[in-house]
Amino acid sequence: EAEVAQSPRYKITEKSQAVAFWCDPISGHATLYWYRQILGQGPELLVQFQDESVVDDSQLPKDRFSAERLKGVDSTLKIQPAELGDSAMYLCASSLVTGRGTGELFFGEGSRLTVL
Amino acid sequence: QQQVKQSPQSLIVQKGGISIINCAYENTAFDYFPWYQQFPGKGPALLIAIRPDVSEKKEGRFTISFNKSAKQFSLHIMDSQPGDSATYFCAASHTGNQFYFGTGTSLTVIP
Repeated sequence: EAEVAQSPRYKITEKSQAVAFWCDPISGHATLYWYRQILGQGPELLVQFQDESVVDDSQLPKDRFSAERLKGVDSTLKIQPAELGDSAMYLCASSLVTGRGTGELFFGEGSRLTVL
Repeated sequence: QQQVKQSPQSLIVQKGGISIINCAYENTAFDYFPWYQQFPGKGPALLIAIRPDVSEKKEGRFTISFNKSAKQFSLHIMDSQPGDSATYFCAASHTGNQFYFGTGTSLTVIP
C-alpha cells in the first residue's frame, strides 16, 4: 500500500542547531503539506505545496523555518536555528485533489523533534 | 482563531458502549469533513469522512452525523472496543485549501 515516507523518525538536537526533515509523498499526489503537532494538540499547518509552488505558508515562522519542494515530488523542511519551543511532531501529508474537491489527506508517521 | 472546535477533550467509555465526539465550525465554505484516528507515536489516519450533501455516513461501527444548519458534525462509535482507544481529530477543509483540525479527543475504552 502506498504511503507517505518521512525521515528521520526521531531527532534530538541542541538549541541553535540546524535540523532538517524529509518527506516523500504518495506517488501522483500533487498537494503536499507540512504540519506541526505539539503534544496534546491537533496538527497545525506550516506550509502547503501544490506541485513545486507554495500555496500557503502564512503560518511558517520564516525567520527560522524554510521548506522546499524543488521538483514537485519530495520535500524538505528546515529549522535554523532550533529553539526549545520547536519540540514537536512534524507531520508530512499529501492529497489528491479531484474534480469532486478535496481528497483524503494521507499522513506520514511523523518526525519527532526534541530540542534540548 | 480556532476554525474547528472539538469536544470533549477526553472521554472514557465502557466496552460495548457508544462514544460520541462533537465538532463545530464557522466557515460555510468548508466542503469536506473528515475524522482522523491517531495512536501514540503514529501519524493520524483517516477514519471516515463526509461531504455536506448528506446528513449521515456510516462505515461499520463508525457514523458521522452532519448538521449543516447548525454547522456541527459528530462521530459516533458504536460497540466501542479497547482497540478503539486513541486520539480522534475532526477536521474541515475547502477544496484545494488547507485542512483545519480540532484539538483532539482522547478516547479510553475500558474492558
